[in-house]
Amino acid sequence: AQSVSQHNHHVILSEAASLELGCNYSYGGTVNLFWYVQYPGQHLQLLLKYFSGDPLVKGIKGFEAEFIKSKFSFNLRKPSVQWSDTAEYFCAPTSGNTPLVFGKGTRLSVIA
Amino acid sequence: KAGVTQTPRYLIKTRGQQVTLSCSPISGHRSVSWYQQTPGQGLQFLFEYFSETQRNKGNFPGRFSGRQFSNSRSEMNVSTLELGDSALYLCASSTPGTGVGELFFGEGSRLTVL
Repeated sequence: AQSVSQHNHHVILSEAASLELGCNYSYGGTVNLFWYVQYPGQHLQLLLKYFSGDPLVKGIKGFEAEFIKSKFSFNLRKPSVQWSDTAEYFCAPTSGNTPLVFGKGTRLSVIA
Repeated sequence: KAGVTQTPRYLIKTRGQQVTLSCSPISGHRSVSWYQQTPGQGLQFLFEYFSETQRNKGNFPGRFSGRQFSNSRSEMNVSTLELGDSALYLCASSTPGTGVGELFFGEGSRLTVL
């Protein structure tokens, strides 16, 4: 069965710290991968996406993610977080025309 | 361009009642998906409509239903409400031109069942 797992439920970081949020998926065949972000009081929005090609993809606000096919992973990274990055982050794979299956999310709290 | 609009934003119902939620997609978007978001379960897929046809359905009981109109607006209905139906219901629209999986979400309808 298709599934996605986000390892961290809540991450607390100080400003300027580096961030890595884990995401593992269980899908057969070709997979497209997404990270969505939900800032406090705002709607979910796309952060970045991977379809094919360079496994290191860059998104908005300095975020990037690396697709490692052999590990079925698509971890989200940012070298230096800011207070404004406080949000909930969702990993979501899809295969073909199947609907997005979201992970349970990782809440990131950035403290000054 | 206006975003995805969901109404009502907040509502309170009691057990056994039914509720209808509405979603207006971004102009030109023909696909509408619905998700239920709860603190414990995260986002769970309810159903997806494209050109008035249900294209995918999640693992929810038959009390949850939906439809899409010719103008792409969509509604979802939950009958015989249970306490566990309390959640944020999110609607998202997309169009083939935006890429598979690229969804544009509304702010949601927060349902509280007492």
